Amino acid sequence: KAGVTQTPRYLIKTRGQQVTLSCSPISGHRSVSWYQQTPGQGLQFLFEYFSETQRNKGNFPGRFSGRQFSNSRSEMNVSTLELGDSALYLCASSRQRGPQETQYFGPGTRLLVL
Amino acid sequence: EDQVTQSPEALRLQEGESSSLNCSYTVSGLRGLFWYRQDPGKGPEFLFTLYSAGEEKEKERLKATLTKKESFLHITAPKPEDSATYLCAVQEVNGQNFVFGPGTRLSVLP
Repeated sequence: KAGVTQTPRYLIKTRGQQVTLSCSPISGHRSVSWYQQTPGQGLQFLFEYFSETQRNKGNFPGRFSGRQFSNSRSEMNVSTLELGDSALYLCASSRQRGPQETQYFGPGTRLLVL
Repeated sequence: EDQVTQSPEALRLQEGESSSLNCSYTVSGLRGLFWYRQDPGKGPEFLFTLYSAGEEKEKERLKATLTKKESFLHITAPKPEDSATYLCAVQEVNGQNFVFGPGTRLSVLP
């Protein structure tokens, strides 16, 4: 069974640009969550999508947005990039929503903003 | 506000030297506590989920335990391949978000 895949794996952008990251969940998984990981702040929750609807959102500015498609694939967009957006962006999928569901993480997309 | 702390921040062990990692949490009601292992440059890998105080789970050289305020990840006779950052996360009863701790960076020397 294939795991969570994320594309691209590495990305370099300059300040002010925008970026779109993609996540394909494990087959049959309908919930996708996004996280930002930095050395200073650790892993921080961005948002969760289920059935093409955002169900939860972390404490990030509106420059961070996402969406989910009918096949459960998800994209995350960051507009007007700032240097502080440099991070490893991780997505995780689970079969359903709810506390009993285990999240499985992808390898991440490493974004560098210059 | 939910808080998760982990100690120690870093730990160096000799191969075969057993030890424990700590995860302390503050939530109004715990729905689940999760342990992950993360290797450099990779996403976290799921290890265990614990739901109630007194619960224990084991996998190879790892054993996770849970009390009302903290969880321990016991590593018995570790090997160099156990070197990684170990993360714990909690999910509150009334919430859906996972709150992660800062992690413990474990190095096992041969």
